[in-house]
Amino acid sequence: DTGVSQDPRHKITKRGQNVTFRCDPISEHNRLYWYRQTLGQGPEFLTYFQNEAQLEKSRLLSDRFSAERPKGSFSTLEIQRTEQGDSAMYLCASSPFRNTGELFFGEGSRLTVL
Amino acid sequence: DQQVKQNSPSLSVQEGRISILNCDYTNSMFDYFLWYKKYPAEGPTFLISISSIKDKNEDGRFTVFLNKSAKHLSLHIVPSQPGDSAVYFCAASESGGGADGLTFGKGTHLIIQP
Repeated sequence: DTGVSQDPRHKITKRGQNVTFRCDPISEHNRLYWYRQTLGQGPEFLTYFQNEAQLEKSRLLSDRFSAERPKGSFSTLEIQRTEQGDSAMYLCASSPFRNTGELFFGEGSRLTVL
Repeated sequence: DQQVKQNSPSLSVQEGRISILNCDYTNSMFDYFLWYKKYPAEGPTFLISISSIKDKNEDGRFTVFLNKSAKHLSLHIVPSQPGDSAVYFCAASESGGGADGLTFGKGTHLIIQP
């Protein structure tokens, strides 16, 4: 399967714990995006990378959130000191450098904070 | 403040008829618009897009219309098929053709009835 893969697919954690999600984009894609989707809402942009450079961050990305893409390939999204409001689907997407606007999304990582 | 609005949470259409999904936006800086389709437990998949320099783009059964003066776009699906049942998201960008930081609407759940 050469699509975008995300791991884990589902994470249940207690409030205050740290969680980390991983995204492996389509191999030839330079751009990688993180979005968050809550129930009844559309995906909300969090951040994006071009290769290893983090080029844009949404104000939704509080200081408890950090994303990395150290070698320009896979990316991690870490949430520290989780809160119940962090419960959401975290979507990763990738696109080629010459972007036509089409993002290729993974299946998402669902976070439940108890 | 919702910059991209999909005011119909759901729409039911008979198989074979035309489905029309609507989207309004408020940010006049948006210059690229996309529609994504999402099945349960899957990530969104790109469907069709349109640049602000056009007023229509067609791809098979799918046509997107853009009315810039009204800040309105619509997706037409004809004829509608059972496999079209999904949630459809309208998205917009002000990146001049790229997909950096797409702003999504809340989605419209399309149900195709046999």
